[in-house]
Amino acid sequence: AQKVTQAQTEISVVEKEDVTLDCVYETRDTTYYLFWYKQPPSGELVFLIRRNSFDEQNEISGRYSWNFQKSTSSFNFTITASQVVDSAVYFCALRESAGGTSYGKLTFGQGTILTVHP
Amino acid sequence: GAVVSQHPSWVICKSGTSVKIECRSLDFQATTMFWYRQFPKQSLMLMATSNEGSKATYEQGVEKDKFLINHASLTLSTLTVTSAHPEDSSFYICSARIKTGGFNVEQYFGPGTRLTVT
Repeated sequence: AQKVTQAQTEISVVEKEDVTLDCVYETRDTTYYLFWYKQPPSGELVFLIRRNSFDEQNEISGRYSWNFQKSTSSFNFTITASQVVDSAVYFCALRESAGGTSYGKLTFGQGTILTVHP
Repeated sequence: GAVVSQHPSWVICKSGTSVKIECRSLDFQATTMFWYRQFPKQSLMLMATSNEGSKATYEQGVEKDKFLINHASLTLSTLTVTSAHPEDSSFYICSARIKTGGFNVEQYFGPGTRLTVT
């Protein structure tokens, strides 16, 4: 069975601080996808990144960066120079690779509530 | 990118009544749609997988007679909460899957429907 763990329930930082959100996953699949989503107070999920299991290159997008380490089954997300607008709930998710009618379903972590104070 | 809409965005109903939530893929055909439920301050939990033209597959613990899912066309899936009770109050989010070829799929989330049962 797949599992995603976000050990940090809540993180509070002051604006301009860097913050890293941890994500650890479990899967028996050798091929899988990992995701990060942002959920602002409005509730709508905002897609941030997708990474497949064969691509361990770290990625940077503006103030966001992701560190994928297959050896430790982790996919951590760092926000550099955080801003108040970054305040939201962040979810890490895993997608199974098996075929069939449920192909594409996501297993979400518990979420990390990030609060950035001015 | 592809757009998924949900209607209504929020609904308040009385205990014992039924509520229907629609999920539409606006500019693509979705052979599979997923229904998630999110209780306050919790993660998204998959309720069921809906495939066009066939019966939905429900996750363990989800009552299929209470949460009726109909995927009548490639662009519309509906979730009906029958005889709703206060404990069904939640944020319901649908997701539509589009297969882009081979192993790859893309998945898009709707904005969610907030259900409050009084």
